[in-house]
Amino acid sequence: DTGVSQNPRHKITKRGQNVTFRCDPISEHNRLYWYRQTLGQGPEFLTYFQNEAQLEKSRLLSDRFSAERPKGSFSTLEIQRTEQGDSAMYLCASRMGDTEAFFGQGTRLTVV
Amino acid sequence: GIQVEQSPPDLILQEGANSTLRCNFSDSVNNLQWFHQNPWGQLINLFYIPSGTKQNGRLSATTVATERYSLLYISSSQTTDSGVYFCAGNAGKSTFGDGTTLTVKP
Repeated sequence: DTGVSQNPRHKITKRGQNVTFRCDPISEHNRLYWYRQTLGQGPEFLTYFQNEAQLEKSRLLSDRFSAERPKGSFSTLEIQRTEQGDSAMYLCASRMGDTEAFFGQGTRLTVV
Repeated sequence: GIQVEQSPPDLILQEGANSTLRCNFSDSVNNLQWFHQNPWGQLINLFYIPSGTKQNGRLSATTVATERYSLLYISSSQTTDSGVYFCAGNAGKSTFGDGTTLTVKP
């Protein structure tokens, strides 16, 4: 197992377009988290899954954002009608229960 | 929700110096992690330390859970230690501080 994997690593999109990111967690980890990080700040929690159930969503997650984790394996984060303010690093993490979390390399989104 | 405060926000050292980074929590957390963010943005795990003290080479960490703080010690700093250090407390989800930016000069 090579750890948490995120794709793509970089995404440039025009304002108004939809984008989708993928996260493949460490295989035996039942919890998966999405975070967003802007320059000079720490990562901010967006949402998390335990197996396939989405258990918590931050109020940062507007109705343009949706996340899924079908079958409790990989997860996708979709942003519809992107805005310039969505430009950020999107980080995914996984863990088993409430133990040590491991992060992926992140997807850097630029909305032009 | 839990608030996480890291200090200092910025730290500039000469190579070979020692440093201490601090992380305070507003409430109890189930466990605590320290990360180093590399220049490409990935968070590298340094310590998973709910309580007590751990050491890994020139780095060590101490968490005093009852007093809601953790410390990261870097000894004999090297230029490769430069970057942003984050602590995160877990109470379900991880809540991060805003980080300490460390610059080690040769």
